[in-house]
Amino acid sequence: ETGVTQSPTHLIKTRGQQVTLRCSSQSGHNTVSWYQQALGQGPQFIFQYYREEENGRGNFPPRFSGLQFPNYSSELNVNALELDDSALYLCASSFQGYEQYFGPGTRLTVT
Amino acid sequence: GEDVEQSLFLSVREGDSSVINCTYTDSSSTYLYWYKQEPGAGLQLLTYIFSNMDMKQDQRLTVLLNKKDKHLSLRIADTQTGDSAIYFCAERENNDMRFGAGTRLTVKP
Repeated sequence: ETGVTQSPTHLIKTRGQQVTLRCSSQSGHNTVSWYQQALGQGPQFIFQYYREEENGRGNFPPRFSGLQFPNYSSELNVNALELDDSALYLCASSFQGYEQYFGPGTRLTVT
Repeated sequence: GEDVEQSLFLSVREGDSSVINCTYTDSSSTYLYWYKQEPGAGLQLLTYIFSNMDMKQDQRLTVLLNKKDKHLSLRIADTQTGDSAIYFCAERENNDMRFGAGTRLTVKP
């Protein structure tokens, strides 16, 4: 167990809707990174938050946005959901990004 | 396409050694990682190596890094059925961590 938790575990949404996924980081960690893992692929980096600021972003459109709170927990928001957004969303916490410890993920299905 | 490449499948017998290979493309990557993912679970950090090292050993795991060829390998000694999983290598440059597609390791009794 890494101490990183994510909620919800599973989620089903309809195309065009909006979704918010949550992540609680491990104690002592100040950085949260979010990844999208499509079926049969490796995780793709979405963005990273450090001390409540976005600190790096992968090749994802602006409808993917996030927040980090003073307790270092984080949210991932996705607007205008598309079918291709169906994936496992993983968050990882770390102290300044080096050893990243992953949560169990949220499985999002868009119909 | 992926910047980090791995073979997709590896099958070994219990007790044998497993070697999972990975090539990466970014010579400025500072850290290289190995993660394990079991069905329905998140990724478990197994080990990592800093780019100025060429070998790291941690119990049954040995990581070898060849910077010239941008080749990373993970050797698992005395492979057990509990080692069956998907193994991902990843490179890190700045805040962007890039993963391969994963190698599915199957351990046969």
